[in-house]
Amino acid sequence: AQTVTQSQPEMSVQEAETVTLSCTYDTSENNYYLFWYKQPPSRQMILVIRQEAYKQQNATENRFSVNFQKAAKSFSLKISDSQLGDTAMYFCAFGLSGAGSYQLTFGKGTKLSVIP
Amino acid sequence: SAVISQKPSRDICQRGTSLTIQCQVDSQVTMMFWYRQQPGQSLTLIATANQGSEATYESGFVIDKFPISRPNLTFSTLTVSNMSPEDSSIYLCSVEGPVTNYGYTFGSGTRLTVV
Repeated sequence: AQTVTQSQPEMSVQEAETVTLSCTYDTSENNYYLFWYKQPPSRQMILVIRQEAYKQQNATENRFSVNFQKAAKSFSLKISDSQLGDTAMYFCAFGLSGAGSYQLTFGKGTKLSVIP
Repeated sequence: SAVISQKPSRDICQRGTSLTIQCQVDSQVTMMFWYRQQPGQSLTLIATANQGSEATYESGFVIDKFPISRPNLTFSTLTVSNMSPEDSSIYLCSVEGPVTNYGYTFGSGTRLTVV
């Protein structure tokens, strides 16, 4: 079974600054995906970024980037130029790739507050 | 990407009653899932909704309590039966398939309060 650990229950950052959210996972599989989801108070789960395990290059989406360390089983999210709208719960998630392996396993989440 | 309509968005129900939550997708999707998010907690998978066959339930969740239907590739329902206050949670529908570029797209959730 896979596990996902987010060791930072809460974090805060000043507007326009950079913040990094941590995530580690445990799996014996080699082919998988990793995700970061954002859940604002509206409770909508919004996909922030996705990383395929077979890709060495770290994924980036505008102000969001990841540091994927496969050997260390680490998958941190960096948010640059933080904005007030980034205030939300952030969940790290793991998903196996391949037929019959579609469910996501989520970490407990990190509550991020962006301070004006 | 797929657009999901999840209804109702919220409801307050009496204990002992049942509530059916609907998940409608604007495109055919391979996989549909139902998650539960208890207050202040992360998401837990309830079951995978299989088109034309019985849903696949995770440990701790049973069909009698959470019956699921999936009559076609764009629609699924989750029923929370014989509700108790412990069922008060957010319930989320999620889909995955070629139209989501194999990412997982979520509905806006149903906030259920059982009194």
